[in-house]
Amino acid sequence: NAGVMQNPRHLVRRRGQEARLRCSPMKGHSHVYWYRQLPEEGLKFMVYLQKENIIDESGMPKERFSAEFPKEGPSILRIQQVVRGDSAAYFCASSSQGSGNTIYFGEGSWLTVV
Amino acid sequence: AQSVAQPEDQVNVAEGNPLTVKCTYSVSGNPYLFWYVQYPNRGLQFLLKYITGDNLVKGSYGFEAEFNKSQTSFHLKKPSALVSDSALYFCAVRAPGVSARQLTFGSGTQLTVLP
Repeated sequence: NAGVMQNPRHLVRRRGQEARLRCSPMKGHSHVYWYRQLPEEGLKFMVYLQKENIIDESGMPKERFSAEFPKEGPSILRIQQVVRGDSAAYFCASSSQGSGNTIYFGEGSWLTVV
Repeated sequence: AQSVAQPEDQVNVAEGNPLTVKCTYSVSGNPYLFWYVQYPNRGLQFLLKYITGDNLVKGSYGFEAEFNKSQTSFHLKKPSALVSDSALYFCAVRAPGVSARQLTFGSGTQLTVLP
């Protein structure tokens, strides 16, 4: 049973380019979360999605960032016109329905903006 | 709003000694509490969780945690530390209810076990 799959693991982008990070949740999980970890910091919640719905995007920056979880295919975190401050590790996580259920994390996507 | 505090950025312990990593929380209602471990350049691995029931929760790799409602704490413990336990440990809280599904993490505690 595969875990949460993220790709790419490492991504380098020049300032102004777009970054797309993909996440496939664990089998049977319908809830997806994106977190960002800046260097020397903890994880900050960004967005929570279910299939075709954004449930909570209170942690998303107001501009340049968007997320989706289509009916078919992986969840996508998209960062437009990247800046150096976007350099971070982006973690996707998933869970099944139920507040007490464990959230399982992927291995992360490390974005470096040069 | 929910929050988690990990008061120690760094904990050092000698191999074979007991270890404790501290965590306190603030949440409305009964909390769901979690511990995760992160090795360098890796994702977070789930260690254990408290949902309800016995205040002492046992998890992976010999770790356990004790839920203390009156002190709003959920400290992570292990009776005998291993060098391989050296990693970054995160405590997290999740409020019950449909509207608060996401985890809120503490800032992390770097555990170093000295041989």
